[in-house]
Amino acid sequence: QVQLQESGPGLVKPSQTLSLTCTVSGGSISSGDYYWSWIRQPPGKGLEWIGYIYYSGSTYYNPSLKSRVTISVDTSKNQFSLKLSSVTAADTAVYYCASGDYGDYLWRFDPWGQGTLVTVSS
Amino acid sequence: EIVLTQSPGTLSLSPGERATLSCRASQSVSSSYLAWYQQKPGQAPRLLIYGASSRATGIPDRFSGSGSGTDFTLTISRLEPEDFAVYYCQQYGSSPRAFTFGPGTKVDIK
Repeated sequence: QVQLQESGPGLVKPSQTLSLTCTVSGGSISSGDYYWSWIRQPPGKGLEWIGYIYYSGSTYYNPSLKSRVTISVDTSKNQFSLKLSSVTAADTAVYYCASGDYGDYLWRFDPWGQGTLVTVSS
Repeated sequence: EIVLTQSPGTLSLSPGERATLSCRASQSVSSSYLAWYQQKPGQAPRLLIYGASSRATGIPDRFSGSGSGTDFTLTISRLEPEDFAVYYCQQYGSSPRAFTFGPGTKVDIK
């Protein structure tokens, strides 16, 4: 089974752009098996889906975040990335990358990365 | 957007007891698009159930899912010490196309 690992700065200043990368191991990001996804969780709160990208480059974003989100894929590095612009304290969260699986026409997220905490503060 | 409501917010039970967790949707959800996750402190969520009733790989058979339409249930037949955690339901909706999660139910030790 694939494994995912997030990386990126743990501290971002307000109004700047948050940038994270997810490295996929144990399988090819180009396999077409998964929709590569980002999900976040503010401290002590619930989960919010941010968006996904398919290996072909097609993307879909949460309508509530769409204006600030860009997800891209680098098949040569087996990585996909998240950029979230104009961040505020409300964007402080643990950010997870996850594999969106639509096998047998049943949607689920499995597996997930371990998550990385990003704090927005000056 | 479909809103998921989970109840109760907290469920206090003893090991060996049966846990019944509810997930209610603001409008009908395809059973194909309803999943349940378990999250322990400091860990990523783990997939338990997908397609409303299919257990994920490696999930013990004490976990079961059921339901359709707007009402779904996760049942843990006999709680083991490692089952005390927060449980989230999640759905995929097509209009607008988005994934949403419920607020979670915490199962803690009585």
